[in-house]
Amino acid sequence: NAGVTQTPKFRILKIGQSMTLQCTQDMNHNYMYWYRQDPGMGLKLIYYSVGAGITDKGEVPNGYNVSRSTTEDFPLRLELAAPSQTSVYFCASSYTGTLSDTIYFGEGSWLTVV
Amino acid sequence: TQLLEQSPQFLSIQEGENLTVYCNSSSVFSSLQWYRQEPGEGPVLLVTVVTGGEVKKLKRLTFQFGDARKDSSLHITAAQPGDTGLYLCAGLLTDSWGKLQFGAGTQVVVTP
Repeated sequence: NAGVTQTPKFRILKIGQSMTLQCTQDMNHNYMYWYRQDPGMGLKLIYYSVGAGITDKGEVPNGYNVSRSTTEDFPLRLELAAPSQTSVYFCASSYTGTLSDTIYFGEGSWLTVV
Repeated sequence: TQLLEQSPQFLSIQEGENLTVYCNSSSVFSSLQWYRQEPGEGPVLLVTVVTGGEVKKLKRLTFQFGDARKDSSLHITAAQPGDTGLYLCAGLLTDSWGKLQFGAGTQVVVTP
């Protein structure tokens, strides 16, 4: 019952460092998403993908990059980390992009930039 | 600014009491979802409403989608400590596809 798996769970980065948050799903879902959740602000969409090789920007894409080489994996790359990127990051997936379909979330990755 | 405004931000009640959480917007949504999120975990879907005026019941939880599809409410009857969590509403705008808009959430605490 893996569902959506994110790694790492926790990470502390120094300003200017780079890192990749890994996300994999085993449900053969076409759609995958990356959200960030800041206190009192709800979840904001960073990037999403409708299938392997296809990605698009969400609401807050600056400072991030993604790739989707396989259906299962959707890594999120942070380049030149900044304190403003301190947040909880959630990867999610769904079979279609409609709300008639359930979106499954991972458990989250806590990132602190100091 | 949040496209979906949730109120109240925080709600603390005693076990057995009723509560209502609201989700409002000036935009029209094609459909709307409610999630519950517990500490250290991702949001878990509770319900999806798609028709204006729709009412859905899930045991002690009642969800309503406004007639104009701009607002929604979640009512919990006889709340239990297990209902404690962050309740999030999320909607899909009529002109978007796959891009959920989330509210900031309502933190509900139910004490025994």
